[in-house]
Amino acid sequence: EDQVTQSPEALRLQEGESSSLNCSYTVSGLRGLFWYRQDPGKGPEFLFTLYSAGEEKEKERLKATLTKKESFLHITAPKPEDSATYLCAVQGGSNYKLTFGKGTLLTVNP
Amino acid sequence: EADIYQTPRYLVIGTGKKITLECSQTMGHDKMYWYQQDPGMELHLIHYSYGVNSTEKGDLSSESTVSRIRTEHFPLTLESARPSHTSQYLCASSESMGFGNTIYFGEGSWLTVV
Repeated sequence: EDQVTQSPEALRLQEGESSSLNCSYTVSGLRGLFWYRQDPGKGPEFLFTLYSAGEEKEKERLKATLTKKESFLHITAPKPEDSATYLCAVQGGSNYKLTFGKGTLLTVNP
Repeated sequence: EADIYQTPRYLVIGTGKKITLECSQTMGHDKMYWYQQDPGMELHLIHYSYGVNSTEKGDLSSESTVSRIRTEHFPLTLESARPSHTSQYLCASSESMGFGNTIYFGEGSWLTVV
């Protein structure tokens, strides 16, 4: 059974204080690892898809990386508008469905 | 990016009432999904559809039912709502169900059963 564990559960940063969120996964044959951003009361917004170890993708202040066991979402010089819950999901083996983690609640204080 | 519309966004109803959550997408995506998410918890797949007249149950058992009569429309129905049905319901779609295909979500419908 695919499993996704995200840490920390919550992270509070000062504006400009860079950090990383972790997504550890167990999957039989990774097909894709997805990062989403979710604002309170809204649906998840797609950020990145990573397919293989060593792959990196960037979008504004966010950079996602992937190893064989985990993915990191690096946030460089965050701003208050980056505050949200960040979700990680994996798709693996012969199962097309996504398995989600519980997310990391990021709060960036001005 | 997919445009997915869910109505109502917020609903409070009494126990025993029948309710339908509407979901429409304008991208012509064949695959559509319903996820359930409780606050602070993971998203769980409750229904999905490969296309018109195709519906399947997801990983999380649900008393809700779905239908897919038109490509763009994937409503979810609860025949008799109970307090245990209180949750956020998220509709989603993707171009295909192959590996690596991005699933796009709607804004969600918050259901409270009192």
